[in-house]
This record gives sequence, C-alpha cells and structure tokens, in this order.
Amino acid sequence: AQKITQTQPGMFVQEKEAVTLDCTYDTSDPSYGLFWYKQPSSGEMIFLIYQGSYDQQNATEGRYSLNFQKARKSANLVISASQLGDSAMYFCAMSLADTGFQKLVFGTGTRLLVSP
Amino acid sequence: DGGITQSPKYLFRKEGQNVTLSCEQNLNHDAMYWYRQDPGQGLRLIYYSQIVNDFQKGDIAEGYSVSREKKESFPLTVTSAQKNPTAFYLCASSTGGLSQETQYFGPGTRLLVL
Repeated sequence: AQKITQTQPGMFVQEKEAVTLDCTYDTSDPSYGLFWYKQPSSGEMIFLIYQGSYDQQNATEGRYSLNFQKARKSANLVISASQLGDSAMYFCAMSLADTGFQKLVFGTGTRLLVSP
Repeated sequence: DGGITQSPKYLFRKEGQNVTLSCEQNLNHDAMYWYRQDPGQGLRLIYYSQIVNDFQKGDIAEGYSVSREKKESFPLTVTSAQKNPTAFYLCASSTGGLSQETQYFGPGTRLLVL
C-alpha cells in the first residue's frame, strides 16, 4: 500500500540554523512524485518543492532543498537559514502514476518551531 | 490575482442538515480536488474532477457529494449521511492531465457541528 511516514511530530530549530524534516515513502510504483507543503496556522497549504522519481538531481527552491535517496525511499526536506516565519506544519505527500497522479497521499506532518 | 477562494471560512451545521462549501478558481485549471483534514492528521481525498461534468470518488467519499458544472467551480455538499463532518476542508486545483502536476490549495473552510 502507498504510504508516507513522517516520524518527527515536532522539531525545534534556532533562527538562521538549518533543519532537516524526515519523510519516508512506500510504493511499488516506479513512477511517482514527491511534494512538500507548508501549513501555517492560517490553514492554507503552501507548495514548497517537488521531486520526480526519475529526476537525477535533488530539487532545490531557494532555501528549500529535497534530499532524495531513492534506494532508501526517503525524501527529506532541508530548510537552510531558518526564519521565524518558517514556524508551521510541514507535510510530505506523494502522487502515483497508477492513479493518474490525481491523488496525493499525505503524511501526518511535522510541526516546526523556529526560536529567536 | 489568480488563485483559489473558498467560502465560508467557518460553517456551522445542525444535525440532519446538508451544507455546501464553495470552491472557485481563476487559474484556468482543469482538475479540482476536495480534501478533508482532521486534527493531527494529513489530508485525505474526498472527490476529484479532471474535467467539467465529470468527477471521481476519493478515499472517503461517503456522506459527501460534488458537482462540476463550470470549470471554475467545484462545490462540496456535506450531507446528513456524513456522521462526523467536523473537520477542516481544503479545495485544490491543478492543470490536470496524466502528469505530475502540482496541486495548489485554497485557504480552507472549517466545519463545525452544533
């Protein structure tokens, strides 16, 4: 069964430091996509970064990078130079070819708190 | 500005009542989605629509209904058959097609049962 696991319920980091949020996934489908979303207290889901299963290089978007280790089935999010505004819930999600990429499977999320 | 709007922000439902949540997008996206989020949980797919006048059930469609009469609009009705409707509901859209397109989300509607 397709599943996303986020084992860190909460993470703390000091401002300006880097932090890694863990995500492992389980699928037998060779074609899939991995996404990270940020959910601030307002509730809206904000897209951060995407990695395709066939992409050779790790995705980067500004201060966000995705550490994609296909053999380990992990897709960790790295946030460099944390800012106070990074405090939020972070969700890892996966889309699959066998559902026409129409379904996102989400993990349970990690709450990140950035302290001054 | 292009985006997705959801209304209302908060909605209260009485026992036995049907309520409808609005979702509108002006991104010219073909595909639209409804997700439910419970406290401490990730999102679960209720319904999705790839084109006008067509929609598919997601993982938790029981007690919900949708329509897609216009490309811009994908309203969700929470029927009285949904026994535990209290949750945060998020609408999303994407360009659609059989590729790994990013889904973009609206601000959400919080539904509470009186």
